[in-house]
Amino acid sequence: EDQVTQSPEALRLQEGESSSLNCSYTVSGLRGLFWYRQDPGKGPEFLFTLYSAGEEKEKERLKATLTKKESFLHITAPKPEDSATYLCAVTDKLIFGTGTRLQVFP
Amino acid sequence: NAGVTQTPKFQVLKTGQSMTLQCAQDMNHEYMSWYRQDPGMGLRLIHYSVGAGITDQGEVPNGYNVSRSTTEDFPLRLLSAAPSQTSVYFCASSYSGQGYKQYFGPGTRLTVT
Repeated sequence: EDQVTQSPEALRLQEGESSSLNCSYTVSGLRGLFWYRQDPGKGPEFLFTLYSAGEEKEKERLKATLTKKESFLHITAPKPEDSATYLCAVTDKLIFGTGTRLQVFP
Repeated sequence: NAGVTQTPKFQVLKTGQSMTLQCAQDMNHEYMSWYRQDPGMGLRLIHYSVGAGITDQGEVPNGYNVSRSTTEDFPLRLLSAAPSQTSVYFCASSYSGQGYKQYFGPGTRLTVT
């Protein structure tokens, strides 16, 4: 059965404290893995697409990486404005994980 | 571009009532999808469309109907609302030329009493 699992469920960081979010997947024939950011009361907003193992994408303090079984979203020196829920999803099947709720405190 | 728009933003229904959630996009995207988001369950796909006149079921289609008569619009119909359909509904569109990354609407918060 195709599945996407995100961990941790919630993460509290001090401003400047780097960490990583995990997205593990079991799908047949991955054609792309997406990361989205969702602010409270809003729709998800696209961050990255990764297509093959070893691929990396960066945007400001975020870097996404992909292996054959999981993806990581690394957050370097986070700021309070990075607080949001981060979702990963696999394409074709349009399956989303349940997200990681990140809170960054000043 | 307005992107993906959804109406209404909030709705309260009584059990058994029917209604249509509206979704429109002005980006000429061929793919459109409807999701529901519940606490602890993440986003779950209800129905999707790969083009005008073509729709298919997602993970949780029961109790919902869709049609796609134009590229721009993809309404979601609740046939007979049930309390289990209380949720936040998101519409999304995507384009093969952009790697299928999805653009989401602002959501409709539906409560069924």
